[in-house]
Amino acid sequence: EAGVAQSPRYKIIEKRQSVAFWCNPISGHATLYWYQQILGQGPKLLIQFQNNGVVDDSQLPKDRFSAERLKGVDSTLKIQPAKLEDSAVYLCASSLRPSNSPLHFGNGTRLTVT
Amino acid sequence: GQQLNQSPQSMFIQEGEDVSMNCTSSSIFNTWLWYKQEPGEGPVLLIALYKAGELTSNGRLTAQFGITRKDSFLNISASIPSDVGIYFCAGQGSGGSNYKLTFGKGTLLTVNP
Repeated sequence: EAGVAQSPRYKIIEKRQSVAFWCNPISGHATLYWYQQILGQGPKLLIQFQNNGVVDDSQLPKDRFSAERLKGVDSTLKIQPAKLEDSAVYLCASSLRPSNSPLHFGNGTRLTVT
Repeated sequence: GQQLNQSPQSMFIQEGEDVSMNCTSSSIFNTWLWYKQEPGEGPVLLIALYKAGELTSNGRLTAQFGITRKDSFLNISASIPSDVGIYFCAGQGSGGSNYKLTFGKGTLLTVNP
């Protein structure tokens, strides 16, 4: 079974620029998550999708972050404009269903904002 | 929000030693998960626990879901150099936003050959 695919692996941008990350979940997984992992910390949930609908975006900084999963499969996460504190690894994960179903993570995109 | 306390923060051990780490929560969880993360990679699932009191093994790894549903531990027996990495616990509640998976801050494990 192919895992969760993410791209790009690395991105370096200047503050106030915009950036987008892409995620392709495991085939058949209805639930998709975007997590932010700051160095030395555990992943923090930004947004959770069930098919193409948002289940939880309570910790998403909506003034600068946006995400979509239009056809219920692939997803993109965008930051515009970026701030220095957005430097982190952005992890995408998917699961079969929203509960009692383990999350499988991609390898993440490491974002550096200078 | 839900808080997870994971300890210890880091461990330095000799190859062959056993390791124990644990997580405690201020809230009740219905699911406990243990992940391992190596540099440049995403977390990889080690063990999933779905029932209070459940004890599950995966090779040299053993994890338990605490009876109070507010804690879990992970043991690694006879450690080897490839066990090096950051181990995260994660808990999931039930209903609405409590389905959100909350992660601990991780335990950094170093194994000296």
